[in-house]
Amino acid sequence: DGGITQSPKYLFRKEGQNVTLSCEQNLNHDAMYWYRQDPGQGLRLIYYSQIVNDFQKGDIAEGYSVSREKKESFPLTVTSAQKNPTAFYLCASSKGDSLDTIYFGEGSWLTVV
Amino acid sequence: GQQVMQIPQYQHVQEGEDFTTYCNSSTTLSNIQWYKQRPGGHPVFLIQLVKSGEVKKQKRLTFQFGEAKKNSSLHITATQTTDVGTYFCAGHTDKLIFGTGTRLQVFP
Repeated sequence: DGGITQSPKYLFRKEGQNVTLSCEQNLNHDAMYWYRQDPGQGLRLIYYSQIVNDFQKGDIAEGYSVSREKKESFPLTVTSAQKNPTAFYLCASSKGDSLDTIYFGEGSWLTVV
Repeated sequence: GQQVMQIPQYQHVQEGEDFTTYCNSSTTLSNIQWYKQRPGGHPVFLIQLVKSGEVKKQKRLTFQFGEAKKNSSLHITATQTTDVGTYFCAGHTDKLIFGTGTRLQVFP
């Protein structure tokens, strides 16, 4: 089936540790995105990538890093510099033009313990 | 910076009542999209509006794009418990900006 796969679905992290969230898509989409959603709140853009080997910061990039070495993959690393990382993280992709719709993965819940 | 605001933030209705959420942008949009996120789920695309004044319907849902392409609304007629969730608008300028969302709760 075509779609976006995020893993893990649930992740617990100790303070001071980096964690990497995986995102893979087989939709042949050029653009990929990472959003953060806090309970009862909207979606905030962390990073996005419109093409392989290129990515741009979104509205809340501090404390996060990404890579886009392959078209299908856009992993997000939550670093220890992110002061409040507990949240729901959503990966998404689109074809990359202005009339696109965005397709979301099922999300990853990150909890800092 | 560009902002997309939605009101209300929450709405509780009795099953069978109507519901409307409004979306307002600080800048003119090239298009607007609507998404629904069920509790515990991920946002799912509902519809896209492109033309000024455009109105589209999906069964009990009516979507409208303002004449100035800076606002939009989603109206649900005769809500059902399956309508529960958070509805997001997303406005497109040079990038897609999601609204703050409206959480709908429907009581049977």
